[in-house]
Amino acid sequence: EVQLVESGGGLEQPGGSLRLSCAASGFTFSAYSMTWVRQAPGKGLEWVSYISSGSNTIYYADSVKGRFTISRDNAKNSLYLQMKSLRAEDTAVYFCARVVTTYYYYLDVWGKGTTVTVSS
Amino acid sequence: EIVLTQSPGTLSLSPGERATLSCRASQSVSSSYLVWYQQKPGQAPRLLIYGASSRATGIPDRFSGSGSGTDFTLTINRLEPEDFAVYYCQQYGSSRYTFGQGTKLEIK
Repeated sequence: EVQLVESGGGLEQPGGSLRLSCAASGFTFSAYSMTWVRQAPGKGLEWVSYISSGSNTIYYADSVKGRFTISRDNAKNSLYLQMKSLRAEDTAVYFCARVVTTYYYYLDVWGKGTTVTVSS
Repeated sequence: EIVLTQSPGTLSLSPGERATLSCRASQSVSSSYLVWYQQKPGQAPRLLIYGASSRATGIPDRFSGSGSGTDFTLTINRLEPEDFAVYYCQQYGSSRYTFGQGTKLEIK
């Protein structure tokens, strides 16, 4: 079964750091680009960051650029999001998703998400 | 940056009716990169339509997508109780992914 499982969320103070992880199984992780998408409480979806299969190409949303770092370890079938200088507005459920980048671009497999709360 | 605007914000319909959801882009979007997702409360989004009109695996044929350029539509024929959810359009362009704000489809 193709599966993505996020972990690492929790309560953190403003200015603090958290590292999210996404464990992939059931598919050849190293062959796919991956992305993080977040959803603030009661709000819509917001794309956060993208990383290509070989980590050669990385993109960030303007809202997190310079504070968040996406990375992956293909040997461990894992995706990461290092979050620093956290703000209250970073409070959200964070989803990792598999990216299809052939002729079409879309997110076809999603994890259930991990919750990040930034509050003092 | 391309902005996607979905309308209506909320759509109230009864089971068996047809739903028409709109996604308008602030500038032209490649149809290959226009996607629709469904999200139910407490769940992750689910891929419905990619390439503006191609149904994802396992998606019933009552779901269809259409459009090009700046105007895209998701149509759901013969609404079933399980179709009531929030729907998002999304596009890829200029090294970023953008989501619309969502349309909530609720039972009338």
